[in-house]
Amino acid sequence: KAGVTQTPRYLIKTRGQQVTLSCSPISGHRSVSWYQQTPGQGLQFLFEYFSETQRNKGNFPGRFSGRQFSNSRSEMNVSTLELGDSALYLCASSLNPGTGGSEQYFGPGTRLTVT
Amino acid sequence: AQRVTQPEKLLSVFKGAPVELKCNYSYSGSPELFWYVQYSRQRLQLLLRHISRESIKGFTADLNKGETSFHLKKPFAQEEDSAMYYCALSGGPDSWGKLQFGAGTQVVVTP
Repeated sequence: KAGVTQTPRYLIKTRGQQVTLSCSPISGHRSVSWYQQTPGQGLQFLFEYFSETQRNKGNFPGRFSGRQFSNSRSEMNVSTLELGDSALYLCASSLNPGTGGSEQYFGPGTRLTVT
Repeated sequence: AQRVTQPEKLLSVFKGAPVELKCNYSYSGSPELFWYVQYSRQRLQLLLRHISRESIKGFTADLNKGETSFHLKKPFAQEEDSAMYYCALSGGPDSWGKLQFGAGTQVVVTP
């Protein structure tokens, strides 16, 4: 099976702009989770989607949003970018957390740089 | 609240020596615990899951509910084990899809 894919791999944006990142999960996986990875804060959970519904959300401002499509592909959006949003954004997919399919498989990440 | 603690930021060991990465957690219910590894320039990948009780690449980890620990061990370290290791916890229905990660331990194996 193909692994989790993320596009684009690298992005450079300016403060105040918005950005959309895309994630395609492993075929058959219905849950997609997003994480932010920074040297200072490590890996932090953003949100999780299952069957097009957001089930859980981390402690991030409302500028961070996401959605999931009927084919399980997911996007996350960050509006009004700040310098502190510079990070590696990771997407992970799993079968269905809560029914024994909780292990997550990660994509390569999108490196976002805000200038 | 969920918390995962990896007390060592860096672990430097010689090839052939045993290695143990510590992980302690706090969670009020029955969590699932995982070890993930990130090799240089590669994506984060699952190494072990406590439920499966497997040995992967010579690594084992035992969940100790009394001590709330999930330490990762390998009896003889190899140079290819040099990587960043993360302990992660998954809780109940209120946190499905969320992995709580520790800060990570960088392992350097020197010949």
